[in-house]
Amino acid sequence: GIQVEQSPPDLILQEGANSTLRCNFSDSVNNLQWFHQNPWGQLINLFYIPSGTKQNGRLSATTVATERYSLLYISSSQTTDSGVYFCAVEVGFNKFYFGSGTKLNVKP
Amino acid sequence: DGGITQSPKYLFRKEGQNVTLSCEQNLNHDAMYWYRQDPGQGLRLIYYSQIVNDFQKGDIAEGYSVSREKKESFPLTVTSAQKNPTAFYLCASSGQGGTYNEQFFGPGTRLTVL
Repeated sequence: GIQVEQSPPDLILQEGANSTLRCNFSDSVNNLQWFHQNPWGQLINLFYIPSGTKQNGRLSATTVATERYSLLYISSSQTTDSGVYFCAVEVGFNKFYFGSGTKLNVKP
Repeated sequence: DGGITQSPKYLFRKEGQNVTLSCEQNLNHDAMYWYRQDPGQGLRLIYYSQIVNDFQKGDIAEGYSVSREKKESFPLTVTSAQKNPTAFYLCASSGQGGTYNEQFFGPGTRLTVL
């Protein structure tokens, strides 16, 4: 099956710093999503981004489908950004695969 | 309020017992999914259903069963054949039409086998 790799696995930032999270995938995909999992386990949708670039406030994402990677940018990080960030890809129809996540800790 | 609900939030089970986790959505989505998450890991697909009365196995279906009798509901049964059932279980749905297939998640159920 497809391999979905996220890097870095762990990231510690000082509040106000910027960061880039990466998601590589080993095969062509139909769709790609970025999620934030909060400390209570809830998965929050950040971006639905099969290709191109999107921005939402301090967050933005870019997917280059032809090169099989996606990037999530977090600017001016806040303590509330802490948690685990996942990317998920759709292969075929309705079959999704998740990476193992990037655990972000933003310190005040 | 549109969304996905899962119940119960916490579930404790004795070894050898079957338990059923509930998942309901009122988003009018065609597809529904069950995932398992172990500590420090990503999500792994157990079962998915693209339409009522149809479902397919994911990568880790052994020891689990599902049904899809209604569009809104996709219950998951964890059977006694599942060797290591203690985990966090997440339900999702998708299907906004065409190729747009964004997944949305419920709050999850934490299952502990005693």
